[in-house]
Amino acid sequence: GESVGLHLPTLSVQEGDNSIINCAYSNSASDYFIWYKQESGKGPQFIIDIRSNMDKRQGQRVTVLLNKTVKHLSLQIAATQPGDSAVYFCAESDTDKLIFGTGTRLQVFP
Amino acid sequence: ETGVTQTPRHLVMGMTNKKSLKCEQHLGHNAMYWYKQSAKKPLELMFVYSLEERVENNSVPSRFSPECPNSSHLFLHLHTLQPEDSALYLCASSRLKGTPYEKLFFGSGTQLSVL
Repeated sequence: GESVGLHLPTLSVQEGDNSIINCAYSNSASDYFIWYKQESGKGPQFIIDIRSNMDKRQGQRVTVLLNKTVKHLSLQIAATQPGDSAVYFCAESDTDKLIFGTGTRLQVFP
Repeated sequence: ETGVTQTPRHLVMGMTNKKSLKCEQHLGHNAMYWYKQSAKKPLELMFVYSLEERVENNSVPSRFSPECPNSSHLFLHLHTLQPEDSALYLCASSRLKGTPYEKLFFGSGTQLSVL
């Protein structure tokens, strides 16, 4: 069956550096991908999404890259700030159902 | 603020208790969802309602009973739960169900502890 996984369960970065969170997916038919951010005590919050007809999409300080050849998704956060500390989930969909990964915890230290 | 409000934020209940979780969305969405979030596990979809009709039940035990009286409100009624049901229960909404590229908007969840 489909699976969505993350390469690193925890990522520690220094404030001001760029962060890269990776996600691997196994369903080659997936055509829609989302990144969510979940801060402590809160629900997942939408960050950015991308459809399979694109390989890059940029938001405010965030960029999502999609490599369909190797079924890999990444979230890049520029100039990481303490407020970026959270768990980040990727999710994939090939129909109307989102399948979530287990998440990567991003820790930002001064 | 995501526009999806869940109450209570925290709930402790015994295995013989009956309680209800409430969710309200102010986004004008037509689909609402219950998810279970346990430590180190992906989000587990429990129930989906579209236009107040239950369209999905992912083999959830009958001790969890959802209710959707209108498109803005969703409840999860709990009775005779087990300790392994302790988790964060998240409500979400989307504009529609059954169409691709729909993103979910989540509430902050109810942290449930079953003693």
